[in-house]
Amino acid sequence: AQKVTQAQTEISVVEKEDVTLDCVYETRDTTYYLFWYKQPPSGELVFLIRRNSFDEQNEISGRYSWNFQKSTSSFNFTITASQVVDSAVYFCALSERNYGGSQGNLIFGKGTKLSVKP
Amino acid sequence: DGGITQSPKYLFRKEGQNVTLSCEQNLNHDAMYWYRQDPGQGLRLIYYSQIVNDFQKGDIAEGYSVSREKKESFPLTVTSAQKNPTAFYLCASSIGGLAGTDTQYFGPGTRLTVL
Repeated sequence: AQKVTQAQTEISVVEKEDVTLDCVYETRDTTYYLFWYKQPPSGELVFLIRRNSFDEQNEISGRYSWNFQKSTSSFNFTITASQVVDSAVYFCALSERNYGGSQGNLIFGKGTKLSVKP
Repeated sequence: DGGITQSPKYLFRKEGQNVTLSCEQNLNHDAMYWYRQDPGQGLRLIYYSQIVNDFQKGDIAEGYSVSREKKESFPLTVTSAQKNPTAFYLCASSIGGLAGTDTQYFGPGTRLTVL
């Protein structure tokens, strides 16, 4: 069955530290998509990245980078030089192309709460 | 500005009452979704609609109902049959088409509290 595990419930760092948020997934499908969303205290989920199962290239966007490794079914997210504004809950999610009663819909992990202290 | 709006932001309900949560989008997206979020939990899918006049149950549809009469609107009714409705409700939309390939964008959410 499809599943997303974010083992880190809460992480606390001091500003300017680097931090990595872990995401491990399970899927039956060969075609799938992985996502990261940010949920600040206001509550709205903000889309950060989408990656398909055929593209294992790492991606960098400013201070954010993502490491996708199919061999370990992981899609980890690193924030470099963290800032107080990065404080939020971060969700990893999986979407399968071919399986599941809710075909193509998102399966979310439980989220990692990141606190960045000044 | 294009986006997704949800209203109200906060909603209080007495036990036994039905309430309707509004979700509107002007992104011209075909697909719309409703999720429920409980404290310390991820999001769980309630209902989704890939096209106007059609919708499907998600993983936790019991006690909820929806309609999709217009492309831009997907209201969610929380009925009295929902035993534990206090939660944060998020609406999302996506371009639609080939299932599982597009990105969902979320509204600001409605926080429902049962008194």
